Amino acid sequence: SQQGEEDPQALSIQEGENATMNCSYKTSINNLQWYRQNSGRGLVHLILIRSNEREKHSGRLRVTLDTSKKSSSLLITASRAADTASYFCATGRSGNTGKLIFGQGTTLQVKP
Amino acid sequence: DGGITQSPKYLFRKEGQNVTLSCEQNLNHDAMYWYRQDPGQGLRLIYYSQIVNDFQKGDIAEGYSVSREKKESFPLTVTSAQKNPTAFYLCASSISSGSEQFFGPGTRLTVL
Repeated sequence: SQQGEEDPQALSIQEGENATMNCSYKTSINNLQWYRQNSGRGLVHLILIRSNEREKHSGRLRVTLDTSKKSSSLLITASRAADTASYFCATGRSGNTGKLIFGQGTTLQVKP
Repeated sequence: DGGITQSPKYLFRKEGQNVTLSCEQNLNHDAMYWYRQDPGQGLRLIYYSQIVNDFQKGDIAEGYSVSREKKESFPLTVTSAQKNPTAFYLCASSISSGSEQFFGPGTRLTVL
C-alpha cells in the first residue's frame, strides 16, 4: 500500500515562480525523503528530513515536516525550466528495516 | 546515476520466458533494492537486501527472484509467474538501511 500521497498530482508554473508540493502519510516515520525523477530516468535524492526536524534547506529547496499532521511540503523557489520533473516523497517508517514507501509523485512543468 | 549501473536499458522478451536484469554498484553500499514503476505511478518495492547473502521480500515479490552473492551485485529475475511484467525497473543502493538511496538509470522491460 502507498504510504505517501502527494498533492497536487500535476503542477504547471512559469519560470521564476515558486512551486510547492505536499505529501501526506499515514503511519509513524523515522524520516521523510524527497526525490526527483526526470522522464525515463532513475531517481535522484534531494533531501532527507528526520522525524525530529521541522524544516530543512538545500539551495533553492525548502522542506517542512509536521509530524502532528503527518505531512510534508517541498518548496522550490525561483523555479527554472530545468526543474521540470516528477517529484516523489518517500517515508522511512519507525521500526522498519530501512524500506522506503514512495508516493505517486507530483509532475512539475516549469514553462520558460 | 553515478555508481550504479543497470543493464540493459531496454529489454524485450516473449511471454513465458524468464529474464534477468542486472544491477551493479561500486559505492561499497551494504543495502540494495529493486523497485517497479508503472506509468504515472510511484515506486513499489520488489525485493531488498540489507547485506550480502541476505534478502527480503518487498510489497510485490510474487513472480520475481533475486540473489545477493556479492556485495556489489543484486540481479533480479522476472519469472514467467509474473502476470504483468511490462514495467520500468529501478535498482537502488544505500550505505545502510534507512539512509538516502542512490538509483540506477533503470531497465524498461516489455513483454511481447
